[in-house]
Amino acid sequence: AQSVSQHNHHVILSEAASLELGCNYSYGGTVNLFWYVQYPGQHLQLLLKYFSGDPLVKGIKGFEAEFIKSKFSFNLRKPSVQWSDTAEYFCAVNGWPGRRALTFGSGTRLQVQP
Amino acid sequence: DAGVIQSPRHEVTEMGQEVTLRCKPISGHNSLFWYRQTMMRGLELLIYFNNNVPIDDSGMPEDRFSAKMPNASFSTLKIQPSEPRDSAVYFCASGTNQETQYFGPGTRLLVL
Repeated sequence: AQSVSQHNHHVILSEAASLELGCNYSYGGTVNLFWYVQYPGQHLQLLLKYFSGDPLVKGIKGFEAEFIKSKFSFNLRKPSVQWSDTAEYFCAVNGWPGRRALTFGSGTRLQVQP
Repeated sequence: DAGVIQSPRHEVTEMGQEVTLRCKPISGHNSLFWYRQTMMRGLELLIYFNNNVPIDDSGMPEDRFSAKMPNASFSTLKIQPSEPRDSAVYFCASGTNQETQYFGPGTRLLVL
């Protein structure tokens, strides 16, 4: 079965620290990749997406992600986090044959300390 | 653009009662998705529609759950009878053939 793995369940950083959140998926074919963010008590918002082309994708709020096909990975990065980045981050994938719905990872809770 | 609209935002009900959740997708989007978020299972698909037709309902837990999309601007998710284990946040999302999905604010359901 197709799956998405997020290895970091809870990350605590100080402001200005660099961030990298891991995401791996299990399907070898063509997929679409997404990162969503969920601030406390709010709905999911799209941070960035990859469909094709340049594997380094830039999103909103200074986030970027790199698609490495050989590693089935789509890691999220930010060079310098802020307290306002405290949220839960979800990696998601779709595009498996016949499946347009998103399959989500379990999420990573990021806590940024001032 | 108003985004995806869901109602109610919060629902508290007693076990055995019928619950109806509503969703208005973004105008022009032809796909609509219902997801459920719980602490134990994370975010999981319940059902999705394309051009108002149910395409994949493999995530619908059991016969107590049903979903309809009578037209391009409205969908409902019904639980009858509700059970405490149905307590969760239910998200509706809509999208286009470009695959990006935009989520609504969710309905937080508590079944006592």
